[in-house]
Amino acid sequence: NAGVTQTPKFRVLKTGQSMTLLCAQDMNHEYMYWYRQDPGMGLRLIHYSVGEGTTAKGEVPDGYNVSRLKKQNFLLGLESAAPSQTSVYFCASWGGENTEAFFGQGTRLTVV
Amino acid sequence: LAKTTQPISMDSYEGQEVNITCSHNNIATNDYITWYQQFPSQGPRFIIQGYKTKVTNEVASLFIPADRKSSTLSLPRVSLSDTAVYYCLVGLSGYSSASKIIFGSGTRLSIRP
Repeated sequence: NAGVTQTPKFRVLKTGQSMTLLCAQDMNHEYMYWYRQDPGMGLRLIHYSVGEGTTAKGEVPDGYNVSRLKKQNFLLGLESAAPSQTSVYFCASWGGENTEAFFGQGTRLTVV
Repeated sequence: LAKTTQPISMDSYEGQEVNITCSHNNIATNDYITWYQQFPSQGPRFIIQGYKTKVTNEVASLFIPADRKSSTLSLPRVSLSDTAVYYCLVGLSGYSSASKIIFGSGTRLSIRP
């Protein structure tokens, strides 16, 4: 039982490059989330999804796009990476009322 | 969405009981109160969740007064391995308006020998 798996775990990008982070969950959860966490700070919600085919903006959506074509996958895209997007990115999935959310192990992204 | 307020940091010693209080004055009727723990370089991990009164599991207790405007996470007999950041979240009721999971700044707990 893998839970929530993020790919890749580490990545270095040059300014202006694009990339996609993949989050996969095997718990049949409806809700999925992408967060970023800067050093010494709390998690900030980028985008989230309440079900297959749906996406919504979180607290800090600018510079990111997401897609939820399949229920088990939630993709986070950076079209033109900037140094300000250097951060650790966490994905989470949640099954709904009175249940806990599960988090992935994180993706450490550095933009130079 | 209910905003939460927690102390930025706390210090304690091994073997002590630690209580971390979270204020959530505008909690909604359907909102649950959930606490997460985060170690460096790891994703947050669920500790405990409650709606009212008291909830206890093998790791912690959660005390919620009748007005539900605050809650207290209690960690009994802490050890060095309890050094982490603790987040209080309010919501997760399953309704679409509460499906955003928003984290506050958390409480950085440091345990000393």
